[in-house]
Amino acid sequence: QVQLVQSGGGVVQAGRSLRLSCAASGFPFTNHGYQWVRQAPGKGLEWVALIWVDGSKINYVDSVKGRFTISRDNPKSTLYLDMTSLRAEDTGVYYCARDISVAGLDQWGQGTLVTVSS
Amino acid sequence: QSALTQPASVSGSPGQSITISCSGASSDIGAYKYVAWYQQHPGKAPKLIIYDVSTRPSGISNRFSGSKSGNTASLTISGLQAEDEADYYCYSYTNTVTTVFGGGTKLTVL
Repeated sequence: QVQLVQSGGGVVQAGRSLRLSCAASGFPFTNHGYQWVRQAPGKGLEWVALIWVDGSKINYVDSVKGRFTISRDNPKSTLYLDMTSLRAEDTGVYYCARDISVAGLDQWGQGTLVTVSS
Repeated sequence: QSALTQPASVSGSPGQSITISCSGASSDIGAYKYVAWYQQHPGKAPKLIIYDVSTRPSGISNRFSGSKSGNTASLTISGLQAEDEADYYCYSYTNTVTTVFGGGTKLTVL
């Protein structure tokens, strides 16, 4: 079945780095764009980054520009989010998601908790 | 990258209809037909219920409907059921090749 399985979360000290992975299965990975969305404890959803289906467009929310990098490995059917210079305010559950439209994320990963300790 | 504006909470009784508004700008909701709505139950991943303003994904009940007028989008849920109690988020593409969520609305079924 269609699945996005996330890995890579955990507790990390402020200023350090972390890589999140999102492994896709059950569908052609190359047919879709992908996004990362996060949710701070008790807060709403916040869009973090996107990568278009052909990789031609990549963009980030202002608060992570220059610190986070979204990428895709098509042969491995895997999406990544490389996070550097982590801050306490980056703490939250991170979700990867597949798009079926420019603004329609129809499949989501299970979420992975990132905790940045100061 | 300002968040879209939603009411913090709405409520309704079983069988009733409710509407959740989502206010944006001419640079996001007003510019494109790329508005989506997500339902999120506590501890769960969000679920897409409407995309492209008014399209329901396969498997989503026709009790959920979406619309847009100018810079404001709306989600209507008819025939409220207990399982509809959740948080709802609107979401739009923007003219800077980013996307943005609303702050979320907590729906209580009385």
